[in-house]
Parts: sequence; C-alpha cells; structure tokens
Amino acid sequence: GENVEQHPSTLSVQEGDSAVIKCTYSDSASNYFPWYKQELGKRPQLIIDIRSNVGEKKDQRIAVTLNKTAKHFSLHITETQPEDSAVYFCAARVTGFQKLVFGTGTRLLVSP
Amino acid sequence: EPEVTQTPSHQVTQMGQEVILRCVPISNHLYFYWYRQILGQKVEFLVSFYNNEISEKSEIFDDQFSVERPDGSNFTLKIRSTKLEDSAMYFCASRPEQGVNTEAFFGQGTRLTVV
Repeated sequence: GENVEQHPSTLSVQEGDSAVIKCTYSDSASNYFPWYKQELGKRPQLIIDIRSNVGEKKDQRIAVTLNKTAKHFSLHITETQPEDSAVYFCAARVTGFQKLVFGTGTRLLVSP
Repeated sequence: EPEVTQTPSHQVTQMGQEVILRCVPISNHLYFYWYRQILGQKVEFLVSFYNNEISEKSEIFDDQFSVERPDGSNFTLKIRSTKLEDSAMYFCASRPEQGVNTEAFFGQGTRLTVV
C-alpha cells in the first residue's frame, strides 16, 4: 500500500524566514496531495492541496510543488509568522481509494 | 461555514467497556471517514463509508470496531471491548463528492482514554 515519508520531524525558523517541508510517496497511482495544519489539541485543517495534473500551486505565503517522476512533494511557507507554528501533515490519496495516507508530521516552530 | 461535529469531546472508559463515538458530517457530503491519532503520532485511517456501507477499511479496523449511519445524519464508531491501546484522538471526516479529488473536512475529534 501507499507509504508517505515526511521530513524534517521538527523545524525551527526565525520569523520572516522561509520553511520547507518535504514528503515522498511510494505509490505512483497517488493523485491527490493535501497538506494539513494541526494546532495543539485541534482538528487537522487543510491549508493547500495539489492534484497530480499540476506541478505547482500557490496561495499567498503558501506553495506546494509536486514532482511525479521523483514521487515527492513539498510545502513552502514564506515570510513565516509565529502563528504558523503548528504540526504540518502531508498526505496522499491513491486513485480508486478513499483513504488519505498521512506523513508523520513536522512540528514547525516560528520564533519572533 | 458548515462543520463536522463530534461528541463527546472527551470520553474516559474502563478497559473492556463498549464506547460509541458520534459524528454529524456536513449535510451534503457523501463519503464519511474515521481516523485516529495516537498522542504525538500521525493520523491513521480506520474506515470509509459510502452509500450505507463500508467502502474501505484498514488493518486497525478489526472485529472490535463497527460503524453505522443510523438516521441519515449521524455517523457512529463503536468499539465493542476497549483496550488500553485504543486510547487516541478519533477524528471523523466527510467529503462531498464521489470520484473527484476533493478535500476531506475533519471534526474537532473525540479524545478517548481507556483506563
């Protein structure tokens, strides 16, 4: 089945810096890749997603890139702010299946 | 904005007892899910439900687990005989369309503590 690896497990940056989180997936039939932000004790919330027919997507300070050949996708946050501090999960969904397979999470800490 | 709602927010139960976790998915959604997250770990898929039947389940979802949509609005997860290792945050999620890659909306979770 699909397996999603995520790195790094923790990431500390200064306010205003950029942050990059990387994920790799194993099943080439995966075609949907969402990113969720989870604040402590709260629900995962979608921040951006990308489908396999697109290589890059941007929404204000957040962007996601997808390399289908290498089977990896990355989350880029620019001009980080303390309120960006949270755990970020990548996920993948394989065509024909319903479940999301999540990565292990990255704890992002943005220091003022 | 519509939300997936879950009750209770926290449930403490004795080992061996049955628990039922409740969810109200977003009203026009077609797919329903349960995921769980053991403290400090990743979110894991348990089961998906479509058209009044299970469409997919994981290895975690064994005979101790069952799901039901009893009345067209609620979606429940039952654990028949809880074990200590069932302690986790359980998230319900729903998705609006079939066959299209759309976002899954998560509820706020039920923290289950088995003692």
